[in-house]
Amino acid sequence: QKEVEQDPGPLSVPEGAIVSLNCTYSNSAFQYFMWYRQYSRKGPELLMYTYSSGNKEDGRFTAQVDKSSKYISLFIRDSQPSDSATYLCAMRGTNAGKSTFGDGTTLTVKP
Amino acid sequence: GAVVSQHPSWVICKSGTSVKIECRSLDFQATTMFWYRQFPKQSLMLMATSNEGSKATYEQGVEKDKFLINHASLTLSTLTVTSAHPEDSSFYICSARDPQGSGTQYFGPGTRLLVL
Repeated sequence: QKEVEQDPGPLSVPEGAIVSLNCTYSNSAFQYFMWYRQYSRKGPELLMYTYSSGNKEDGRFTAQVDKSSKYISLFIRDSQPSDSATYLCAMRGTNAGKSTFGDGTTLTVKP
Repeated sequence: GAVVSQHPSWVICKSGTSVKIECRSLDFQATTMFWYRQFPKQSLMLMATSNEGSKATYEQGVEKDKFLINHASLTLSTLTVTSAHPEDSSFYICSARDPQGSGTQYFGPGTRLLVL
C-alpha cells in the first residue's frame, strides 16, 4: 500500500462548479501538507501549503487537513477552464524531510 | 513564490551521447535539490536527492553511473544522462527546497529529452 493515496480521477466538471480533490495517507508523522498544480508539459507549481491540521484559504482555493483521519482536501470554488490541470498532493514529516507525492488527479473544467 | 529555472527546456540527441541538464534556484539558496522523471500521464518518480557539497542519494533502481548528479553550489545542480538511449526519453524535472520557513519544494519547468 502506498503511503499517500490520491483519488485518481479523471474529474470533469462544468465551469463554476465546486471541486473537491482528496488524498489519504498512512504515515502519522506527516506534518507538512502541500498541493501542487501541474499543467501539461510543465513542472508542478505550488498552490497551497499547510502545517498540521486546519484550513487555509487563498482566493478560490481552500486546503483542509484532518490529521485525526489522515485525510487532506483541496477545494476549488467557482472553477474555471484555466483550472484544468493535474493536481498533486504532497506531504512530509519534518522541515528537512523528503516529500511524498500522490499520483495526481486530472481535472477538466468545461466552459 | 520561489523561482527555479531549468535548462534546456527540451533537447533531442542521438543515442550514445550524453546530455546535461541544469537546475538553478534563482532567488534562494538550496542546500537540497531533487531530480524527478515523469512519463506521459504518469506520476512523478523521484530519481535522486542532491545535497550541496556531497554525493547524491539515489532511489532504488536508478543507475548512479548513468544519471550523474552534481550539486556544486547552493544555487546549481546538474543532471547528466550519460550514453543516452531511446528508453531514457522522458520529462525530467528538478525541484529545490527553500530552507527558510516551511522548507517547501519548488519545481523547475522541466526538460523534455528525446533520444533518437
